Amino acid sequence: DTGVSQNPRHKITKRGQNVTFRCDPISEHNRLYWYRQTLGQGPEFLTYFQNEAQLEKSRLLSDRFSAERPKGSFSTLEIQRTEQGDSAMYLCASSLSRQGAYEQYFGPGTRLTVT
Amino acid sequence: AQSVAQPEDQVNVAEGNPLTVKCTYSVSGNPYLFWYVQYPNRGLQFLLKYITGDNLVKGSYGFEAEFNKSQTSFHLKKPSALVSDSALYFCAVRSYRTGTASKLTFGTGTRLQVTL
Repeated sequence: DTGVSQNPRHKITKRGQNVTFRCDPISEHNRLYWYRQTLGQGPEFLTYFQNEAQLEKSRLLSDRFSAERPKGSFSTLEIQRTEQGDSAMYLCASSLSRQGAYEQYFGPGTRLTVT
Repeated sequence: AQSVAQPEDQVNVAEGNPLTVKCTYSVSGNPYLFWYVQYPNRGLQFLLKYITGDNLVKGSYGFEAEFNKSQTSFHLKKPSALVSDSALYFCAVRSYRTGTASKLTFGTGTRLQVTL
């Protein structure tokens, strides 16, 4: 399968713990995005990388959130000191930067439950 | 700021009948528009996009969408619905500007229910 993969698929953690999610994009895609989706809502943009550079961060991304994309390949999203409000589906997407190829391809998501 | 409105939480249609899922948008400059479908416990699947050119764009699984600039709409359509089309559909928009405007802004989704 050459699609976007995310691990783990599910994560249950206690409030105050740190969690880290991983995203592996489609291999030739140089752009990578993180979104968060809560029940009954569409995905909301969190952050965006072109290669290894983090080019944009949403105001939704508080200081407890950090994302990295070392070497421009896979990416990690870390949440420190988790809160119950962080419970959501975290989606990763990737795309090409080629003219006209603007669609983003999404992974299956990581569902986070903070108890 | 860019935004998307999907005015219907749910659309019900009988199998074999045509379906329409509505979407209106707001964005600076020319829009890039997308439709995605989400099945339970799965990520979003890309259906189709409008970048430029013909106002009627065709996508996967027999879906098409009509771009209307004057009404700022991008409605999803299919001539004959299938029960297997039942899912959650999201419309999304991004600005034509490159670089930092690459993010997609999604609507709240419309649940399509196709019955026999």
